[in-house]
Amino acid sequence: EIQLQQSGPELVKPGASVKVSCKASGYSFTDYNMYWVKQSHGKSLEWIGYIDPYNGGTSYNQKFKGKATLTVDKSSSTAFMHLNSLTSEDSAVYYCARLLLRYFDYWGQGTTLTVSS
Amino acid sequence: ENVLTQSPAIMSASLGEKVTMSCRASSSVNYMYWYQQKSDASPKLWIYYTSNLAPGVPARFSGSGSGNSYSLTISSMEGEDAATYYCQQFTSSPFTFGSGTKLEIK
Repeated sequence: EIQLQQSGPELVKPGASVKVSCKASGYSFTDYNMYWVKQSHGKSLEWIGYIDPYNGGTSYNQKFKGKATLTVDKSSSTAFMHLNSLTSEDSAVYYCARLLLRYFDYWGQGTTLTVSS
Repeated sequence: ENVLTQSPAIMSASLGEKVTMSCRASSSVNYMYWYQQKSDASPKLWIYYTSNLAPGVPARFSGSGSGNSYSLTISSMEGEDAATYYCQQFTSSPFTFGSGTKLEIK
């Protein structure tokens, strides 16, 4: 069974950074690009960027350049998203999602990030 | 950025009623993808390559369209269909999502 298991909710202070993880299982991790998507409370979805786990290549939505950094650990089949200089605007649910051809066939359960003092 | 505009934003339908929702792109796209999201759950792939149903999606759903205009139709509304539906394009970066259509039971 294919699963994307994300790390738990985070409560962090403004100005801090956070690293969210997404552990893949049930398939060959390096065969599919991993995307990250932001969903602000009650709002729609935004594509943050993606990483090719095979070679670590990345591409970012211009809006999130400098905000998000994507990495992987192939040995543990885990993708990571690091978010820096957090503000209240970064409070949201963040999803990892596997790309198959041109659509997201599997999603993580989401990680809720709350930025508050 | 290719802006996807979904309409209506919120709609309600009676059980058994036919439902149609729209997604219009500011620039032409090759295909449209649809996701269903229920409260406190992750989005689920619902329709891919404009008209193909994802595994497990009931046959009462269908997708159609081309160019700038796409739609998702439910032939006969059922209770489990109440959810928010998002369209998404993968033709041009950034790969944008629509703002969603929230479908409720009347």
